[in-house]
Amino acid sequence: GENVEQHPSTLSVQEGDSAVIKCTYSDSASNYFPWYKQELGKRPQLIIDIRSNVGEKKDQRIAVTLNKTAKHFSLHITETQPEDSAVYFCAAKGGSYIPTFGRGTSLIVHP
Amino acid sequence: KAGVTQTPRYLIKTRGQQVTLSCSPISGHRSVSWYQQTPGQGLQFLFEYFSETQRNKGNFPGRFSGRQFSNSRSEMNVSTLELGDSALYLCASSLAGEVYNEQFFGPGTRLTVL
Repeated sequence: GENVEQHPSTLSVQEGDSAVIKCTYSDSASNYFPWYKQELGKRPQLIIDIRSNVGEKKDQRIAVTLNKTAKHFSLHITETQPEDSAVYFCAAKGGSYIPTFGRGTSLIVHP
Repeated sequence: KAGVTQTPRYLIKTRGQQVTLSCSPISGHRSVSWYQQTPGQGLQFLFEYFSETQRNKGNFPGRFSGRQFSNSRSEMNVSTLELGDSALYLCASSLAGEVYNEQFFGPGTRLTVL
């Protein structure tokens, strides 16, 4: 089955800095890669996603890049703000229609 | 549109007991998935139901079971509870569970096993 590795497990940055979270996947059949943000005590929510026929997608301060050859994808957050502090999960989805999640990255943005 | 709801939100049980959790998906969504979330382990997939049928199953023991009703509401049951079953149980609904269908999560049920 699919295996998704996510790094780092914890990321601490100063407000205004950029943050990058990386994920690798194992199943070449995976073709959809969503990212979820989970604030403390709240439900995970989709923040951005990318399909395998696209190499990069941006939405304001967040962007996701995908390298299908290397089987890795990354989340980039620019100009981080304290409200970006949360746990971020990457996921890979393909033939089974069930997403496999990474273990999460706890992002801490210091004011 | 109302979001995904789960009941109860918190539950405390003792070892050996059984528990039933409920999930009401977004209206019109036919796919419901269940996940177990524990610190450091991310979201572990339990099972997915579509049109009252279990379509996919994760790697959990048979003590974990579920079902889906004709109105797409879903329940999951855990029998003979163990301490390690303490976790946040999340359900998520999507239109049809297709590859590009977004999953919407419920608030979760926090289960504590003593």
